[in-house]
Amino acid sequence: QQQVKQSPQSLIVQKGGISIINCAYENTAFDYFPWYQQFPGKGPALLIAIRPDVSEKKEGRFTISFNKSAKQFSLHIMDSQPGDSATYFCAATPYSGGGADGLTFGKGTHLIIQP
Amino acid sequence: DTGVSQDPRHKITKRGQNVTFRCDPISEHNRLYWYRQTLGQGPEFLTYFQNEAQLEKSRLLSDRFSAERPKGSFSTLEIQRTEQGDSAMYLCASSSMLGRSTGELFFGEGSRLTVL
Repeated sequence: QQQVKQSPQSLIVQKGGISIINCAYENTAFDYFPWYQQFPGKGPALLIAIRPDVSEKKEGRFTISFNKSAKQFSLHIMDSQPGDSATYFCAATPYSGGGADGLTFGKGTHLIIQP
Repeated sequence: DTGVSQDPRHKITKRGQNVTFRCDPISEHNRLYWYRQTLGQGPEFLTYFQNEAQLEKSRLLSDRFSAERPKGSFSTLEIQRTEQGDSAMYLCASSSMLGRSTGELFFGEGSRLTVL
């Protein structure tokens, strides 16, 4: 069964702190793991993504850590800023196999960065 | 702006009425997806097209829902005999198909449906 479990549901971090959001999946066929950022009234936008052949990917202040054996991956936001306040969704899909599946999303984490 | 556009942005209807949403994807993208998002939840996959062919439909897509993508360009999602449980944000996304890999999904801003 395709499922992605995301935690925490909400998160409050002080400006300059590190925000950490975790996800776990069950389907071992998943091989593409993106994170999406969504602001109120807007559609989700891709933030960063990882394939399971690497354990970490960093883009600016955003880092994905991936643990294939544990079937877990996480998003780290370093030096969190008020502009990072948004809802973050992890997602997964069997990507490279040419499968027809759409992305399976987690339920989201509502992140608030306090100034 | 050449992003994904959706119309209408908001629709309020009475139970039992039919509604139709339109999505115009990024022009060079051959894959188009429909997702549904309810409050406090992540987007749920409904269906997707590669060019004009509808390749997969979720179990969430009941017989009252129908999607089309004539000529592989814009797409429509129609909901017949709407129910209050259909109230949600309907998101459209598009991507390009690079070999066997699907590129990044670009989402529109969604069409919010409220069924009274």
